[in-house]
Amino acid sequence: GDSVTQMEGPVTLSEEAFLTINCTYTATGYPSLFWYVQYPGEGLQLLLKATKADDKGSNKGFEATYRKETTSFHLEKGSVQVSDSAVYFCALSDMNSGYSTLTFGKGTMLLVSP
Amino acid sequence: DARVTQTPRHKVTEMGQEVTMRCQPILGHNTVFWYRQTMMQGLELLAYFRNRAPLDDSGMPKDRFSAEMPDATLATLKIQPSEPRDSAVYFCASGPGQGKYEQYFGPGTRLTVT
Repeated sequence: GDSVTQMEGPVTLSEEAFLTINCTYTATGYPSLFWYVQYPGEGLQLLLKATKADDKGSNKGFEATYRKETTSFHLEKGSVQVSDSAVYFCALSDMNSGYSTLTFGKGTMLLVSP
Repeated sequence: DARVTQTPRHKVTEMGQEVTMRCQPILGHNTVFWYRQTMMQGLELLAYFRNRAPLDDSGMPKDRFSAEMPDATLATLKIQPSEPRDSAVYFCASGPGQGKYEQYFGPGTRLTVT
């Protein structure tokens, strides 16, 4: 079945450092890809998405490019802030079920220190 | 800014009691999802609906959990009887459907069963 693999955390960075969180996927068909962010005590928030190969999703300084050839959707940010500390989830749309479900990775915790 | 709402935000109950969690999806969204999140299991899909019809509830224990959508503005998740192992954060999410796979999450209900 479809699956998403994320790098294990926590990822610990200093403020203004460059961020990369790796995400690779296994899927049949042509899924849409997503990044969600979860701050402590809150629900998951949609951060960005890409619906086809070579699409770049971007939001709040975060970017991710849909790479079909490497089945990857790595999340990047040029300069992180303390407020970016959260858990980040990569997800793909499940094309097998015929419905609108998502398959999530296990999440990567990001900790940014001043 | 349209959001998914959930009530209650926190619930503490004793083992054996009935628990009802409510969700108001975003107006116009035709898919609704219930998830459970724990440290051990991560994010689990319990059930989902399209146009108020249940599509799959294979993710939840049938003998004690039930999910319904009495109308388009209300989804409910009931646990009867509750057990300590049901302690978790329960999220509702809604999605626009119609070929769009993103989901929008509510803030969650934190359930503690003693």
